[in-house]
Amino acid sequence: AQSVAQPEDQVNVAEGNPLTVKCTYSVSGNPYLFWYVQYPNRGLQFLLKYITGDNLVKGSYGFEAEFNKSQTSFHLKKPSALVSDSALYFCAVRDRATSGSARQLTFGSGTQLTVLP
Amino acid sequence: NAGVMQNPRHLVRRRGQEARLRCSPMKGHSHVYWYRQLPEEGLKFMVYLQKENIIDESGMPKERFSAEFPKEGPSILRIQQVVRGDSAAYFCASSLGGSSTDTQYFGPGTRLTVL
Repeated sequence: AQSVAQPEDQVNVAEGNPLTVKCTYSVSGNPYLFWYVQYPNRGLQFLLKYITGDNLVKGSYGFEAEFNKSQTSFHLKKPSALVSDSALYFCAVRDRATSGSARQLTFGSGTQLTVLP
Repeated sequence: NAGVMQNPRHLVRRRGQEARLRCSPMKGHSHVYWYRQLPEEGLKFMVYLQKENIIDESGMPKERFSAEFPKEGPSILRIQQVVRGDSAAYFCASSLGGSSTDTQYFGPGTRLTVL
């Protein structure tokens, strides 16, 4: 079984400061990892994904995430936060199995990011 | 370049009625996934479909829920005899292929309220 933990329900950061949203995962094999952002009453928007290769993945809107296999983590980061980054962030994992049932994404419970002006 | 479309965006039903949620995938995508988001929770997988086939329905309740993705037209998630516990946001996602590396792109969701 695969699972994702986002240990912080809420993260507050001042505008212009760096931000980190934490994510750890558990899969039986090797993971594919994803970050999505959800604005109020909207669907999820894809930010970035880790498939293989470089552990540092760059995505949309200046976000990046670092895959750490030994710590089973995939934390989302941004060097300088904007007020408009305030939203709900979800980490998701998918195992590298090839069967049809492995296509589903397993999501964390989400982290509400608030960037204070 | 339209994204994933879902309708209706909001749906209100009384207990015992049927709810039909529709999802049109992105152009060229033939893989569709349905997820449910309960208040204050993350998304939970329900069902994965390709055209005319249900590939994985392991996350869907055995009773009252069904899904289809016909050769022509949108994917439909149907909930019969709705109960208050069905109140949630239902999201559809689509992907270009069936590979595990393919990104799923999400629609805006249908918010179902059962009175």
